[in-house]
Amino acid sequence: GQNIDQPTEMTATEGAIVQINCTYQTSGFNGLFWYQQHAGEAPTFLSYNVLDGLEEKGRFSSFLSRSKGYSYLLLKELQMKDSASYLCAVRDRAGQGGKLIFGQGTELSVKP
Amino acid sequence: DSGVTQTPKHLITATGQRVTLRCSPRSGDLSVYWYQQSLDQGLQFLIQYYNGEERAKGNILERFSAQQFPDLHSELNLSSLELGDSALYFCASSVARTGPNYGYTFGSGTRLTVV
Repeated sequence: GQNIDQPTEMTATEGAIVQINCTYQTSGFNGLFWYQQHAGEAPTFLSYNVLDGLEEKGRFSSFLSRSKGYSYLLLKELQMKDSASYLCAVRDRAGQGGKLIFGQGTELSVKP
Repeated sequence: DSGVTQTPKHLITATGQRVTLRCSPRSGDLSVYWYQQSLDQGLQFLIQYYNGEERAKGNILERFSAQQFPDLHSELNLSSLELGDSALYFCASSVARTGPNYGYTFGSGTRLTVV
């Protein structure tokens, strides 16, 4: 089966750091993606990990441990505009048949 | 503009009716994916097409069908609509050839309301 778990909601303060965790159990694995989605809008790509370790991209970093089926998204210097849903997704196969399987999303509220 | 075009943006229709949602993928992308997002739900994978052929199927209802045309645009047909079909329907496209790629790009979605 396919199972991707992430917390439903998180709250953080402007300027702080927040870590959103994601655990997965999928029948196949060919990369883990993080997307940001504002209410009623399209998901937008944030980061991609296929090998273990940390990928840094400005204020956003993402970590992957394939042996533990675990990833996190780290957001630094939080801004009010970072209030959104953060979606963890696993690509189940490489190439033409691969699709993204999404978790339920973590609703992040950034408070002043 | 992500390069993935979905029409219409909004659709209101009655129960029992049939609607068609349209998606034009980003230029050069051969794969199209359809997702459904109900209120407070995650993105549920429905179906994938690659270069005109169905490649993967998720929890798509029998009342729903899709196809991808030679020009690579795709249509999702929803019939015998029920209130529970009200949702945001997203299309995404990707190159989906070999090797890692970042190219899962989403359209702005079609908001379907069944009344």
